[in-house]
Amino acid sequence: AQSVTQPDIHITVSEGASLELRCNYSYGATPYLFWYVQSPGQGLQLLLKYFSGDTLVQGIKGFEAEFKRSQSSFNLRKPSVHWSDAAEYFCAVVAWDDKIIFGKGTRLHILP
Amino acid sequence: DGGITQSPKYLFRKEGQNVTLSCEQNLNHDAMYWYRQDPGQGLRLIYYSQIVNDFQKGDIAEGYSVSREKKESFPLTVTSAQKNPTAFYLCASKQGYYNEQFFGPGTRLTVL
Repeated sequence: AQSVTQPDIHITVSEGASLELRCNYSYGATPYLFWYVQSPGQGLQLLLKYFSGDTLVQGIKGFEAEFKRSQSSFNLRKPSVHWSDAAEYFCAVVAWDDKIIFGKGTRLHILP
Repeated sequence: DGGITQSPKYLFRKEGQNVTLSCEQNLNHDAMYWYRQDPGQGLRLIYYSQIVNDFQKGDIAEGYSVSREKKESFPLTVTSAQKNPTAFYLCASKQGYYNEQFFGPGTRLTVL
């Protein structure tokens, strides 16, 4: 069955430090992958998506993600985090029936 | 501006009452979705509709009902049969196959 795993429930980084959020997926064919961000009490906003082509994709707010087929991973990165990046981040994959499977999320905390 | 609206933002219900959550989109998307979000659980699919007058159960449909009489509207009714309805509810829409979903701001339902 298709699945998405985000191994880290919480991550804390200092403002200005680099960030990497991990995502592993299980899917037989070429996956269509997303990263979403959710601020408390809000809906989800799309950060970036991977459908095909270049394995390093750029998104909004200075985020990028790299698709690695050999590792079944789609990790999200940012070179320097800002206090406003504190939120919950969800990785997702499109399933064979066109539904979207979400990971359980990683909550990012920023230290001043 | 195109987008998805959900109302109300906060909703309180007494046990034994049915309540309807509104979701409207002006993106001209064919497909619409309802998710339930609980802390640490990610997003769980309740119902989805890929076309007007048609909808399918998701993973946790028991105790919920929907209708899709118009393309832009997909209301969710939380019935008294739902044993633990207190949660954050998110509506989403998308257009086309293997595309991202767009989310509304959510409704927080509390059962008193």
